[in-house]
Amino acid sequence: GAVVSQHPSWVICKSGTSVKIECRSLDFQATTMFWYRQFPKQSLMLMATSNEGSKATYEQGVEKDKFLINHASLTLSTLTVTSAHPEDSSFYICSARPTGGDTQYFGPGTRLTVL
Amino acid sequence: AQSVAQPEDQVNVAEGNPLTVKCTYSVSGNPYLFWYVQYPNRGLQFLLKYITGDNLVKGSYGFEAEFNKSQTSFHLKKPSALVSDSALYFCAVRDTHRYGGSQGNLIFGKGTKLSVKP
Repeated sequence: GAVVSQHPSWVICKSGTSVKIECRSLDFQATTMFWYRQFPKQSLMLMATSNEGSKATYEQGVEKDKFLINHASLTLSTLTVTSAHPEDSSFYICSARPTGGDTQYFGPGTRLTVL
Repeated sequence: AQSVAQPEDQVNVAEGNPLTVKCTYSVSGNPYLFWYVQYPNRGLQFLLKYITGDNLVKGSYGFEAEFNKSQTSFHLKKPSALVSDSALYFCAVRDTHRYGGSQGNLIFGKGTKLSVKP
């Protein structure tokens, strides 16, 4: 139980294009999902909190117009990196917390490389 | 401010020996504490958590952690290490002080790389 999937697992794109990453909770419903970014050999940095049916809450310094988050259902949240640049290259990880639960379960991550 | 500290960047252990990965925390109120493990190029896997109850928490893959309120610690332990335990381990505390949509997100330590040699 408590499985979270991410798609795609890796993506390479050209500078200026947009990339959408999906995060799904496969066997539970999640009112809240989280998006993190991880640089090599570093800890996870919370980018935003995604709440089903409402606007996402972004951390300080994260551009909401660049990192668009949509949480359209209790099992799906998407992160769209708009007009991607090489500095956006990173490992993006989502997590989901079962509604009423206290544990976050993480997806396998998406490796984004912007050329 | 709430925070988590993992004082060791790396821990080296011989296979079969006990291992400890250290974690200390700073929160006001009762802490919600978690341990996760990350293998290369993968997401985080949940190992165990302490919310309330017994101070010794048992988790996945033979790991356990002891909550020590007086020392504000939550060290991860395993009696006999395996080579396959080699990975990056993260301690985290739930942020209970923020309001709005970000309440309840996790604050992570910087991670400790565990290396188990045969």
